[in-house]
Amino acid sequence: QKEVEQNSGPLSVPEGAIASLNCTYSDRGSQSFFWYRQYSGKSPELIMFIYSNGDKEDGRFTAQLNKASQYVSLLIRDSQPSDSATYLCAVIHSPSNDYKLSFGAGTTVTVRA
Amino acid sequence: SAVISQKPSRDICQRGTSLTIQCQVDSQVTMMFWYRQQPGQSLTLIATANQGSEATYESGFVIDKFPISRPNLTFSTLTVSNMSPEDSSIYLCSAADNHWFFGPGTRLTVL
Repeated sequence: QKEVEQNSGPLSVPEGAIASLNCTYSDRGSQSFFWYRQYSGKSPELIMFIYSNGDKEDGRFTAQLNKASQYVSLLIRDSQPSDSATYLCAVIHSPSNDYKLSFGAGTTVTVRA
Repeated sequence: SAVISQKPSRDICQRGTSLTIQCQVDSQVTMMFWYRQQPGQSLTLIATANQGSEATYESGFVIDKFPISRPNLTFSTLTVSNMSPEDSSIYLCSAADNHWFFGPGTRLTVL
């Protein structure tokens, strides 16, 4: 069973702090990793993708990938109330998987003003 | 990035009826998918919509219950057949070109 697991929430952080979200995956052959943000009642919105080991930064967001340990994380620096949402980790397990995204259960983040 | 629209945005249906959801992408895309998101849950892939051929269904989903069409590279439909209250969910169309994008979803309530 190929699985994507995320740290259980909800995660509450004060405004200006760093929110740290973790995701592990079971298929060692996984190639592509995504973080989506989903506001309540809305569809998921892609915020980060990462394919190679290491860190990738985009504004206040940093994605970290460690394929040896099979985890991917998302850091949100200087958290804002507008960052309050559910964050979904998604994985494409392998190139032969016809590009299907598998999602984790999501971590709900609340940023306290 | 591709822009995806879905119709209807929401509907309330009676048990035993069927609803067809339309998904339109503003550009040609290689892959289109249909997901379901039940209340408080994450996204579950229903099927891959294949252009010009039968859809590829995930475990637990069957064509008789969720027939899918994809007549061209920009359009797909998902039908939820013989509905029951357990089908109440948000149904999301997704398209992949360089990345994966989602439509706004169709919120379905079955009474």
